[in-house]
Parts: sequence; C-alpha cells; structure tokens
Amino acid sequence: AQSVTQPDIHITVSEGASLELRCNYSYGATPYLFWYVQSPGQGLQLLLKYFSGDTLVQGIKGFEAEFKRSQSSFNLRKPSVHWSDAAEYFCAVGVISNFGNEKLTFGTGTRLTIIP
Amino acid sequence: GAVVSQHPSWVICKSGTSVKIECRSLDFQATTMFWYRQFPKQSLMLMATSNEGSKATYEQGVEKDKFLINHASLTLSTLTVTSAHPEDSSFYICSARDRGPPYEQYFGPGTRLTVT
Repeated sequence: AQSVTQPDIHITVSEGASLELRCNYSYGATPYLFWYVQSPGQGLQLLLKYFSGDTLVQGIKGFEAEFKRSQSSFNLRKPSVHWSDAAEYFCAVGVISNFGNEKLTFGTGTRLTIIP
Repeated sequence: GAVVSQHPSWVICKSGTSVKIECRSLDFQATTMFWYRQFPKQSLMLMATSNEGSKATYEQGVEKDKFLINHASLTLSTLTVTSAHPEDSSFYICSARDRGPPYEQYFGPGTRLTVT
C-alpha cells in the first residue's frame, strides 16, 4: 500500500534562513507528488506538484522541491523563509484507489515555526 | 483560482443529534468531491469520494450509515454526521476537482465539529 512519511513533526528556523522539509513516499507506480500548506483556519493550498519531466519543480511563494526516484523522496526547499511561511506543510502522493478513483494520500505533516 | 467553501466553519451539537456540513465549488463544476477528516496534529484521512449523481465510495473503516454523503449537483456536496457522538468531534475538510490535471484538488477551509 502507498504511504507518505514526513519524519519531522516540528521544525523551527530563523527568519531569512534556508528551509528543507523532508518527504519520503512508498508507491509501486510512478508517483504524482504534491506539497500543500495549511494555515490556521484555512484550507490546504497547493504549493507545487510533480507529475513527470524535470525533477526540480518550482512552486508558489518561492518554494521548490526535488523528486529523487532512487531515494523515494520529494523534499521541499526554500532559500530564505519569511515569518508568513509559518504553517503546517503536507506532502501527498496521488494514487489510484481500489475503486479506480484518484485519491491523495497525505503524510502526517510538518509544523514550521519561524523565529525572528 | 478555484474556490471551495464550507459551511458552517464550526458547529457544536449535542450527542445523538445529526449535523450537516455543506461543501460548494464557487467558480467551477466539481465532477468529484472528497471528504477528509483531520484529527489534531495529524494528517488528513480520506473518508469518501463522491462523483456527481453517483453514490459515494467510502474508504475502509468509514461507516457509510453514519457519514451520509450527497453530491446532488456539480457545485454542492453535503456530509451529514448522523447520531453524532463525542468521538466524531474532528475537523472535516472537503475538496473538489474538475476535469483538470490528474489529482488536482481544491480544498475548502474545513469545518470544526464538536459533539458534547
């Protein structure tokens, strides 16, 4: 069965510092991979996605992620974080369910705290 | 961009009563809608997938008689929690997709349900 692992439950970084959030997946087929951000009281917002092609994908808000098939990873990065980046981040893999529907399987999330 | 709304944003109900949560796609036609449940500090767990005009397909372990899903139009899906109990207290999130790129879902802001 498919799964997504986000090993870091909580990360704290200083404003202006670089950021890397880790994501590992387990899926037998070619994965569709996503990163979402969830701010308090708001829905999930798509940061970026990987379907195929260039393994380094650019997203919104200055985020990027790199797909590494050999490591089954899809880590999210940002060169310089802003206080507004404080939120919960979820990695997800798109799979086909037993019913033939598309579905997203999410990791447990990483909470990002930014300190001045 | 595609916007999904949920109503209410929070609700408190007494044990044994039923509560209905609405999910609307505001500016696109949602051929498929999804309902998720999110426990505090945990990931989103898919409860069910509903295609317009069809019965919802429920994930393993989700009681279909307790969580009634109706997707009667291309812009509206409802989740009714019947005979709610305190253990049903959770954050319920809906998402919707159109015939766009695979797996691309637009998420609502969520509904906080508290059963007393």
